[in-house]
Amino acid sequence: DSGVTQTPKHLITATGQRVTLRCSPRSGDLSVYWYQQSLDQGLQFLIQYYNGEERAKGNILERFSAQQFPDLHSELNLSSLELGDSALYFCASSGTAGETQYFGPGTRLLVL
Amino acid sequence: SQKIEQNSEALNIQEGKTATLTCNYTNYSPAYLQWYRQDPGRGPVFLLLIRENEKEKRKERLKVTFDTTLKQSLFHITASQPADSATYLCALHQAGTALIFGKGTTLSVSS
Repeated sequence: DSGVTQTPKHLITATGQRVTLRCSPRSGDLSVYWYQQSLDQGLQFLIQYYNGEERAKGNILERFSAQQFPDLHSELNLSSLELGDSALYFCASSGTAGETQYFGPGTRLLVL
Repeated sequence: SQKIEQNSEALNIQEGKTATLTCNYTNYSPAYLQWYRQDPGRGPVFLLLIRENEKEKRKERLKVTFDTTLKQSLFHITASQPADSATYLCALHQAGTALIFGKGTTLSVSS
């Protein structure tokens, strides 16, 4: 168990809908990262937050947004969902050194 | 263009042999490189980190090398066991960027 929690584990929704994925980092970790993993693309970095502030941005679509709250949990919002957004979404956290990342169990999103 | 490539999508070996996985990169200057293990449907788990000024790192049956001239890292699992069957991801970190992952190599160890 990495200490990172993600909810929900599974999510089935329809095209055009909006969903929110939630992540709680390991106790004491200030950084949260979001990744998308699909079969053909591998693990793609979306965005990083550090202590509430956006730190780095990857190939995150404009339809996607994230935030980190004062209690350090983070939410990833996906809107106007398309079939191609079906994937595993992982959250990871790291400590101050920011080297090793600890991944949560992921949320499997299926868009029908 | 920048690329990180893992030698093959799948590697099949017999129990007791040494598995060697390769990670090559192009147009990056990583400060360090990491290897993660991922089981189906689960999140990656950190295994080893090696810095640009280190040649080799070991942890139990695992060994990783890092050659910045060849732009390559090798990941070895000695005395492999069926429980080592998983997908192994390499990831590199370059200053100013987030961690960049390869697509992984799926290792199958048969008894």
